[in-house]
Amino acid sequence: LAKTTQPISMDSYEGQEVNITCSHNNIATNDYITWYQQFPSQGPRFIIQGYKTKVTNEVASLFIPADRKSSTLSLPRVSLSDTAVYYCLVAPRPGTASKLTFGTGTRLQVTL
Amino acid sequence: DSGVTQTPKHLITATGQRVTLRCSPRSGDLSVYWYQQSLDQGLQFLIQYYNGEERAKGNILERFSAQQFPDLHSELNLSSLELGDSALYFCASSPQGSEAFFGQGTRLTVV
Repeated sequence: LAKTTQPISMDSYEGQEVNITCSHNNIATNDYITWYQQFPSQGPRFIIQGYKTKVTNEVASLFIPADRKSSTLSLPRVSLSDTAVYYCLVAPRPGTASKLTFGTGTRLQVTL
Repeated sequence: DSGVTQTPKHLITATGQRVTLRCSPRSGDLSVYWYQQSLDQGLQFLIQYYNGEERAKGNILERFSAQQFPDLHSELNLSSLELGDSALYFCASSPQGSEAFFGQGTRLTVV
């Protein structure tokens, strides 16, 4: 499985755009990139998933360059409630034989 | 609400005991995943089942076992419990080719 590397922590002010980059140099052809958000003592929550180029939904955007060796999660105009740990996963889509291995994640702290 | 139900929410037991954690996946989801998360630690993948069969295995201890039943619910059995087994245990489910949905977890405290 492709190993992922993310910053351990990031700080932001409310209202700013936050970009969290994940490196996955050994990504395989059939791997997808998925981001999850986790609040303390809660299960992770799916944010966004992509294979290449750009994906956007109501909460975030995911940018994937052509070589797919990295990806960037973009959170527009963060609020205090976005304070959480964000995980980048690289694996074949769930439902197949995949371990869905989580890395250490990025702890985002949003302040006023 | 993710649609994944885990019971019990909290469990306190003594060292050496055995416990069973239960997971009811979302309706129709064939895959079930189990994770362990110790205090301020990351999520450790334990095991995955797909339609009743074991599909992938992580660093699951020999004292731990799991199974998925015909109705697709899953159970994680933890035996000969040690203090270090105290953690949050999460279950997740997914349909074929989609994202995983996590339950709210079972907090296990071994005393």
